[in-house]
Amino acid sequence: NAGVTQTPKFRVLKTGQSMTLLCAQDMNHEYMYWYRQDPGMGLRLIHYSVGEGTTAKGEVPDGYNVSRLKKQNFLLGLESAAPSQTSVYFCASSYSPDEQFFGPGTRLTVL
Amino acid sequence: GQSLEQPSEVTAVEGAIVQINCTYQTSGFYGLSWYQQHDGGAPTFLSYNALDGLEETGRFSSFLSRSDSYGYLLLQELQMKDSASYFCAVRDTGRRALTFGSGTRLQVQP
Repeated sequence: NAGVTQTPKFRVLKTGQSMTLLCAQDMNHEYMYWYRQDPGMGLRLIHYSVGEGTTAKGEVPDGYNVSRLKKQNFLLGLESAAPSQTSVYFCASSYSPDEQFFGPGTRLTVL
Repeated sequence: GQSLEQPSEVTAVEGAIVQINCTYQTSGFYGLSWYQQHDGGAPTFLSYNALDGLEETGRFSSFLSRSDSYGYLLLQELQMKDSASYFCAVRDTGRRALTFGSGTRLQVQP
């Protein structure tokens, strides 16, 4: 099993560009999450999904959109990237919200 | 909303025992989780407490006191590989997501 995978691993964007981060899991988990982590800080929840076709806002949803069209995939979109969105993005999935399995992360720089 | 407090840094020597504390404030508490993250890596789940008491998993134990809104992670027989950041996270009742603390950076010295 691959577990949780994230694509791409690294990306550099210019201000105003758009992009989509892909998260895939092969563990048949219902719950999926997108976090951002800034240097020296904890994980902040952007959006999450409790099942296929559902999404919900987390702590810092502004500037991001998500979709969960298939159970195994959770997409995070940046419509118009800003330097404040420079961060490491982690996706996680789980059977229970308390024990989450994380992907390796995507390091995004917005110039 | 929720808020969590944990020390920013802890230093200990190899072979010792270290305790990382976490205090929380939530509107309705469901459970407390702990995660480990090595530099440049992804967080990994360590333990979960929903009820008062101690949960032991090998060298790691986690404790919860619901009445005191307090928990801790206990690491025994410290090894160099335990140098990492440790995050506590809480879940509110009725919410299916976690709120993470800012993390405690543990440095294990020879």
